[in-house]
This record gives sequence, structure tokens and C-alpha cells, in this order.
Amino acid sequence: EVQLEESGGGLVKPGGSLRLSCVGSGLIFKKAWLNWVRQAPGKGLEWIGRIKSSLDGGTVDYTASVKGRFSISRDDSRQTLYLEMNSLRVEDTAIYYCGSGYPDRWGQGTQVTVST
Amino acid sequence: DVVMTQTPVSLSVTPGQAASISCKSSQSLLSRDGKTYLYWYLQKSGQSPQLLIYEVSSRFSGVPDRFSGSGSGTDFTLKISRVEAEDVGVYYCMQGLFVPRTFGQGTKVEI
Repeated sequence: EVQLEESGGGLVKPGGSLRLSCVGSGLIFKKAWLNWVRQAPGKGLEWIGRIKSSLDGGTVDYTASVKGRFSISRDDSRQTLYLEMNSLRVEDTAIYYCGSGYPDRWGQGTQVTVST
Repeated sequence: DVVMTQTPVSLSVTPGQAASISCKSSQSLLSRDGKTYLYWYLQKSGQSPQLLIYEVSSRFSGVPDRFSGSGSGTDFTLKISRVEAEDVGVYYCMQGLFVPRTFGQGTKVEI
């Protein structure tokens, strides 16, 4: 069974930084394309970005609102996906989900709150 | 960015009745490889989204056959043949052809 588990969320002040992790199991992690998707309170889903498998070049794509502030990376040896978030804004407050594939499998999410 | 527009915004249904959700994309989702990259998700209250349908009409593993997807190009539909109480939640379509991936605004289905 594929399982994804996010961690690293918390409360941070505007302008601060946070690193989220997503550990995967039950899948061939090194072959997986991995996504980050977020959901602001009471809002819909927003795709943040995706990293392809190393076999497919490891290319990373982002949505415009986070480009230059957020960075996605992966460590296949640790079966872990990362989201490095810098220059955080109040509007980045959301539940952050990692997802594998389309995505077809999702983690349970981790809450990020940006507030003074 | 590709805009995904879902209708209706909300839907109230009686168990056993059929339900239908429309999703329109601002650009064709037909790829040069012949596949159409349109997905449907259901997010139940307090849960992560779950994939229902991929590539317009293929049901994901474990998804009941009362869920079906159809459409082509820019117009797509999710149908629930006989709604059950467990189908309550917010349904999203998502395009998987262009970067950034984009979701519809969601359709809330209530009993």
C-alpha cells in the first residue's frame, strides 16, 4: 500500500522560512513524479509544483505565485520529498499535501500557518 | 494558465438519484500522445483528496462503478449513477497537460 506522510508544518512569522518533508513507502519512490498541493482555509486545491523522477530528468516546475520563494527537491535514498519555503506570506497559510503520480496518492497533509 | 470551470458550484441530491458535474477547460486537454489529461477528485470533509477518475474516463483502483467520466477536448462530465451517503464532499476536476496544473473551483455535493 502506498503511503505518504508529510511533516514539518507549523506557525511561522511573515518573511520566515519552513521546510516540509514527505516520506513515501509502498511505491518505487525513485520512479515517482511527486507533487505539492496546498489548500488555504475554506478554499479549493492549488497545485504548487512537481518534481519529475531522476530517470525523467528530475525537472521541477512551479506555479507562479511561489516561484523564486519555494524550492522542491527529493532524496530518493531516503524516499523523501522536500518543500523549502522562504519569504513566507500570510497568504501561504494552508494545508500542504504531497502527492505521487497524477497525483493519485496523497498524504494526510501538514498545516502551515503564517502569522504575526 | 489553463482555467478549469466547474458547474454547478453546489449540488443537493437524494440518495439513489443520479448526479452530474461539468468541467470545462480554457484549452484542449488532448495531448499529442492521444491521451486527454483530465482527472476527477473527491475530497471528503477533513480528508485528503482522493482520485476517482484519470484520463477522462478511467476509474482509479477501488472506485465504485457508479462513478463515470466522459468528455473530450475542453468539455468533461463526472456522473454518479446512484448517489450514496458516502459520496458527500467536494469534487474537483484537474488538468494534467499543462504546467501549472490547475483545478476547478470545486463542486460541493450534499445529501
